[in-house]
Amino acid sequence: GEDVEQSLFLSVREGDSSVINCTYTDSSSTYLYWYKQEPGAGLQLLTYIFSNMDMKQDQRLTVLLNKKDKHLSLRIADTQTGDSAIYFCAESIWDSSYKLIFGSGTRLLVRP
Amino acid sequence: NAGVTQTPKFRVLKTGQSMTLLCAQDMNHEYMYWYRQDPGMGLRLIHYSVGEGTTAKGEVPDGYNVSRLKKQNFLLGLESAAPSQTSVYFCASSDFGENQPQHFGDGTRLSIL
Repeated sequence: GEDVEQSLFLSVREGDSSVINCTYTDSSSTYLYWYKQEPGAGLQLLTYIFSNMDMKQDQRLTVLLNKKDKHLSLRIADTQTGDSAIYFCAESIWDSSYKLIFGSGTRLLVRP
Repeated sequence: NAGVTQTPKFRVLKTGQSMTLLCAQDMNHEYMYWYRQDPGMGLRLIHYSVGEGTTAKGEVPDGYNVSRLKKQNFLLGLESAAPSQTSVYFCASSDFGENQPQHFGDGTRLSIL
């Protein structure tokens, strides 16, 4: 079945770059997403990438996709304390309707 | 600009009690979803709806029922609450289509004693 895996925890210093990694299993996924969850809140869409792209940049965010290895990463440049949150990777699949399969989330802690 | 609104935000139930969680969206979205979030397990899909009057089972539907009588509302019911249903529940909605992002509510934290 479909599975999305992420490391559970990442700690970085303020001002450094953060790289959050994700692997997925469904090679037919056409869109892959990154969501951010702040404490006590729902998930907020950060960015997405279409499967025929290798890279997408959006201000401080860079998404890299290695479709051969089914590996997705999110790089946050100049990480700020406000970036501390849980980051979820998700793949879009078709199973009677469009659905998202989420990873278990990576908790990012930004140290001052 | 409400988006997706979930009520209540918190609830404590005793084992065996029933309750209904309400989700309302004001974006005229066709699709609506109910997820549960448990530590270390990400979000798991409970039930979803592809339009008014329709519902379908997700990954973990047992112990839950849903209804979508109006397009803007999606109700999640627990008929006889069990401690294993202690979780944070999220509702989401989206337009129909392959790359339509899901918009999430702020969640309902439910504890079953």
